[in-house]
Formats: sequence, structure tokens, C-alpha cells
Amino acid sequence: GQNIDQPTEMTATEGAIVQINCTYQTSGFNGLFWYQQHAGEAPTFLSYNVLDGLEEKGRFSSFLSRSKGYSYLLLKELQMKDSASYLCAVRGNNFNKFYFGSGTKLNVKP
Amino acid sequence: EPEVTQTPSHQVTQMGQEVILRCVPISNHLYFYWYRQILGQKVEFLVSFYNNEISEKSEIFDDQFSVERPDGSNFTLKIRSTKLEDSAMYFCASSESAGTIRQYFGPGTRLTVT
Repeated sequence: GQNIDQPTEMTATEGAIVQINCTYQTSGFNGLFWYQQHAGEAPTFLSYNVLDGLEEKGRFSSFLSRSKGYSYLLLKELQMKDSASYLCAVRGNNFNKFYFGSGTKLNVKP
Repeated sequence: EPEVTQTPSHQVTQMGQEVILRCVPISNHLYFYWYRQILGQKVEFLVSFYNNEISEKSEIFDDQFSVERPDGSNFTLKIRSTKLEDSAMYFCASSESAGTIRQYFGPGTRLTVT
């Protein structure tokens, strides 16, 4: 089966840095995605990794190690609006099938 | 920015009834998807669709479900004989191509089965 694990919930302070981890065991791999989902809303795309290493995009960075089945999303200079769930998703062997983790609810406090 | 639209935003139906959820993908996109998210749970892939046929489907997508692109703009998910456990948010998404990184999600339809 497909297994994607993330911490359920994290709390961090405004202005700080937080790292959200994701480990995966899937039968195929064609990329790992991070999405942000505010309560009651649709997921929105944040980042994508298919090769090992760090991808940086503004305040958000994502890292991938395929040999370890591990990724993290790094959020810098946290803002209150970053309070949301962060979803890790893996694209399987077929480019049209995706597996999501349960999401990490991030609470940013003043 | 282009967006995916879905109707209705909320659908209430009685157990055993059939529902059709509608989506209008972004106009130049070729790949379409349906996902389900039961309240408080993870997003679950249901099906992907390309060139007027199903590309991939999950174990959830059994004979109770079907998808259709009835015209050049709409993409529908039909759920037959709804059950209480079908209550969830259903998201439609689209992408330009299979290899495209980004999927654009619609706002979702909240389905409540009573």
C-alpha cells in the first residue's frame, strides 16, 4: 500500500521558522508536492520536488531525499496567515495518480 | 488567474439518491481529476481523466461512481445510490498536461447525505 506520514499538528510563533516533515513509502514515485489548505477551502499548490535537494520559493522551501523517502517544507518569517494545514502528496508511477498525507495543521501564534 | 469552478457549493441529498457534481476546468487544460475529503480526514484521489476516458482510478472509485465530460467545458462526477459515508467535500482539479507540476483545485462541493 501507499503510506505518507506527517505530524498531525504543530505550533510556532510569528516571525519564526518551522519545518514540517513528510516521510513516504509508495510503490512508485514521480514527484512530491506540498499544498496549503485553509479550513474549508481547496488545497493550493506550494512546491514540487522530483530530484534530491532543496527548492526555494520566497519564504517557502522544500527538500527531498528520495533514498530516504523523506521531504520537508520549511516556512520562514512566519505570518499569522500561514496558519493552515500543509499537505504532502506523492505522484505515483502513473503521472495521473496522487497520494496525500493526512496533513499537518500549523498554528501560528503571536 | 484562471480558476476551476464547481457547482453546487453544497448539495444535500437523501441516502439512496443519485447526485451529479459539476466542474468547469480551466479552458486549455487537458487533464481532470476528482478528489474527496471526508471532514477532518485526508484528501483522497478518486479518478483522473484524459482524452475522454479514465486515466487512473483509486480503489474508492467503484461502480457507484462515474465521470463524464458531456461537452467541451463541463466535467461531472456522478454518485449513484448515495450512502451516509459519501458525505464529504469533493474537489475537482485540472492541469495542462500529465507532466505539469501544478494542479489547480476548484473550491469544492460539500455533499451531505442524510
